[in-house]
Amino acid sequence: EDQVTQSPEALRLQEGESSSLNCSYTVSGLRGLFWYRQDPGKGPEFLFTLYSAGEEKEKERLKATLTKKESFLHITAPKPEDSATYLCAVQATGGSYIPTFGRGTSLIVHP
Amino acid sequence: DAGVIQSPRHEVTEMGQEVTLRCKPISGHNSLFWYRQTMMRGLELLIYFNNNVPIDDSGMPEDRFSAKMPNASFSTLKIQPSEPRDSAVYFCASTPPGMNNEQFFGPGTRLTVL
Repeated sequence: EDQVTQSPEALRLQEGESSSLNCSYTVSGLRGLFWYRQDPGKGPEFLFTLYSAGEEKEKERLKATLTKKESFLHITAPKPEDSATYLCAVQATGGSYIPTFGRGTSLIVHP
Repeated sequence: DAGVIQSPRHEVTEMGQEVTLRCKPISGHNSLFWYRQTMMRGLELLIYFNNNVPIDDSGMPEDRFSAKMPNASFSTLKIQPSEPRDSAVYFCASTPPGMNNEQFFGPGTRLTVL
């Protein structure tokens, strides 16, 4: 069974204080790993897809990296508007396209 | 593009009543997913359609839940009869054709069953 574990569950940062969120996964074979951002009262919004170990993607202050067992979402010099819940999901190889989501990390950035 | 559209945005009903949630996926997308999100259990997949055909409904909690997709532009999730433990936010998401595509989520329907 595919499993996704995100840590920490919650993270409080001061504006400008860089940090990383972790997504550990267990799948028989990885087709893709997705990062989403979810603001309160809204649906998750896609950020990145990573396909193979060693791959990195960046968007503004966010950088996602991937190894064979985990992914990190690095947040550099965060701003209050980066406050949100960040969700990780994995899609396994095989016939199903169904992603498995983690519980998310709730990030609060204080000004 | 208007994105995934869900209605209603909020629904408050009494236990035992029938509830119907609606979803219009993004035009051209051929996969549709219904999720339920709660604080306790996070985001749970209920059912997945591909080309309007239900592929995996193993996440549907019980027979009180049913979902249909009569055409490529409309899907419904029905709960009959509703119970207080069904209170949650229900999301619909769609994906374009392809194997590794991200999901586009709707704004969700917040359901409260009294």
